[in-house]
Amino acid sequence: DGGITQSPKYLFRKEGQNVTLSCEQNLNHDAMYWYRQDPGQGLRLIYYSQIVNDFQKGDIAEGYSVSREKKESFPLTVTSAQKNPTAFYLCASKRGIYNEQFFGPGTRLTVL
Amino acid sequence: AQKVTQAQTEISVVEKEDVTLDCVYETRDTTYYLFWYKQPPSGELVFLIRRNSFDEQNEISGRYSWNFQKSTSSFNFTITASQVVDSAVYFCALSEAEDSSYKLIFGSGTRLLVRP
Repeated sequence: DGGITQSPKYLFRKEGQNVTLSCEQNLNHDAMYWYRQDPGQGLRLIYYSQIVNDFQKGDIAEGYSVSREKKESFPLTVTSAQKNPTAFYLCASKRGIYNEQFFGPGTRLTVL
Repeated sequence: AQKVTQAQTEISVVEKEDVTLDCVYETRDTTYYLFWYKQPPSGELVFLIRRNSFDEQNEISGRYSWNFQKSTSSFNFTITASQVVDSAVYFCALSEAEDSSYKLIFGSGTRLLVRP
């Protein structure tokens, strides 16, 4: 079945550590996105990539980094520079010209 | 600036009641797209519907219906004969055709609780 997978489902990080969240899709979509969700709020865009080997900052990119070496994969690294990383992270890919985005199951990151 | 407002933070209804979730948006673009997503307790966002700005036809899908009105910048979502499985957080979102990122701008969500 086609879809988006994210791993791990839960992640615990100590202060000062970098962690990498995985996102893989087999939908053959060119564009992929990372969003952050805080409790009681909507999603905010961290980074996006519209094609392999290219990516752009979103609205809240500080403290995050990404890579896009393969069409199927768009990993997100939460660096120690991110001041408040505890959140729910959702990866999405975009279908077609009407901007429909489909989401993975998410990774819940907690800083200890 | 673009913005999506979901004024209802939480709604509680009894099973079989009808419920309407409100969504008001702001945009300067003439071409844009509106969406509704459902987020069950598992956390994954489930795509429900897309509506283009140039298509004001209302849509019905089973117990779900959507009312798009450009004159009031609203895109409301009605669930008829609600069921316990409808309990979730529902997000309205906007995407502008002239935004090269094609990002989704989300409202803060409405938590719907359907009680048996």
